[in-house]
Amino acid sequence: DAGITQSPRHKVTETGTPVTLRCHQTENHRYMYWYRQDPGHGLRLIHYSYGVKDTDKGEVSDGYSVSRSKTEDFLLTLESATSSQTSVYFCAIRDSLQGGYTFGSGTRLTVV
Amino acid sequence: AQTVTQSQPEMSVQEAETVTLSCTYDTSESDYYLFWYKQPPSRQMILVIRQEAYKQQNATENRFSVNFQKAAKSFSLKISDSQLGDAAMYFCAYRPRDDKIIFGKGTRLHILP
Repeated sequence: DAGITQSPRHKVTETGTPVTLRCHQTENHRYMYWYRQDPGHGLRLIHYSYGVKDTDKGEVSDGYSVSRSKTEDFLLTLESATSSQTSVYFCAIRDSLQGGYTFGSGTRLTVV
Repeated sequence: AQTVTQSQPEMSVQEAETVTLSCTYDTSESDYYLFWYKQPPSRQMILVIRQEAYKQQNATENRFSVNFQKAAKSFSLKISDSQLGDAAMYFCAYRPRDDKIIFGKGTRLHILP
């Protein structure tokens, strides 16, 4: 399995503060994704990347931005956190052989 | 729009029994992948089984098998000899060959001892 790590694992932040979540992979995968998971909604795509400096929006991108300056790192930023962004965030990479995704262990973000 | 529907928000099964989780999807594509992911309380997303649409044979992984009905756009997961460790949220997912995965909303499976 590809090495994929997310940091932090848990975070509590105040409304209006900026927050950056990090996703790091060790096997040079081209495609990386950020999802959020909420009860009753499953996993919804926030942003994705298909290469260094190549990113695009998903279905729930409002209030989020991403950056990918290196192949191995994909950052998700909440510019000004709101309570509606309280969620569990998953990073994923696409397995070029199997076609599925390998996920990080998730970040539980609470905005108070 | 492409969608994935899991009509059973929760299910329960007796330990050692068999259970089937339902999934339907909507697409106009002919070439795609289908997946079942398991999410135990640890929160980790684990790939259980995958199916390529061009393959008629249903995928099997040990106690897990699927019933893939392409014309009906149905992709159900059967778990045989259910074990306590199978208790989890299960997500059905669809991916066109050159696009992104779309997930269903999940089915929470309880195993009764």
